[in-house]
Amino acid sequence: AQSVTQLDSQVPVFEEAPVELRCNYSSSVSVYLFWYVQYPNQGLQLLLKYLSGSTLVKGINGFEAEFNKSQTSFHLRKPSVHISDTAEYFCAVSLSFSGGYNKLIFGAGTRLAVHP
Amino acid sequence: DSGVTQTPKHLITATGQRVTLRCSPRSGDLSVYWYQQSLDQGLQFLIQYYNGEERAKGNILERFSAQQFPDLHSELNLSSLELGDSALYFCASSVGEGLVWETQYFGPGTRLLVL
Repeated sequence: AQSVTQLDSQVPVFEEAPVELRCNYSSSVSVYLFWYVQYPNQGLQLLLKYLSGSTLVKGINGFEAEFNKSQTSFHLRKPSVHISDTAEYFCAVSLSFSGGYNKLIFGAGTRLAVHP
Repeated sequence: DSGVTQTPKHLITATGQRVTLRCSPRSGDLSVYWYQQSLDQGLQFLIQYYNGEERAKGNILERFSAQQFPDLHSELNLSSLELGDSALYFCASSVGEGLVWETQYFGPGTRLLVL
């Protein structure tokens, strides 16, 4: 089965500290990976995506992620977090299915709580 | 602001009732996707429409149906509602037919509460 695992359901961190949100996927074919952020009472906003090319992907708000094919991981990082980064973060993989259609499969989400 | 709009923002109804959620995609996007987000199931893909035609189906119940109109807006109809249907329903849109590398842009969601 193809899936996405976000290893931490909650990550508490102090302001200005670095953070890493972990994401592992399982797929035997080429993958296209996304990180979305959901601020309280809002929809999902795209942070960054990996389609091909450089394995280090830079996104909005100072976030970056590294695609590691051998470890089937796509961890999200930020060197110094702000209070405003408090949100839920979702890792997703876009997969092709027989029948010619594609689906975005989401992980369970990681709640990042930034404390002063 | 993603450019995807959803109405209403909140909906409170009773069990057994029927509701309609509406979504307008970003200008120029041809595909619309519907997702359900609940505490126990997480984010689940329900259905995709591309240029008026059903393109892909996910974990959508038979009590639920959707359509996409010629102006590309979409409606999700939920009928015979149960308590367990209470959730946040998201609409997303993308520019093409849903190719595997396409980015989906999400609306703010409709929060449905079934009492």
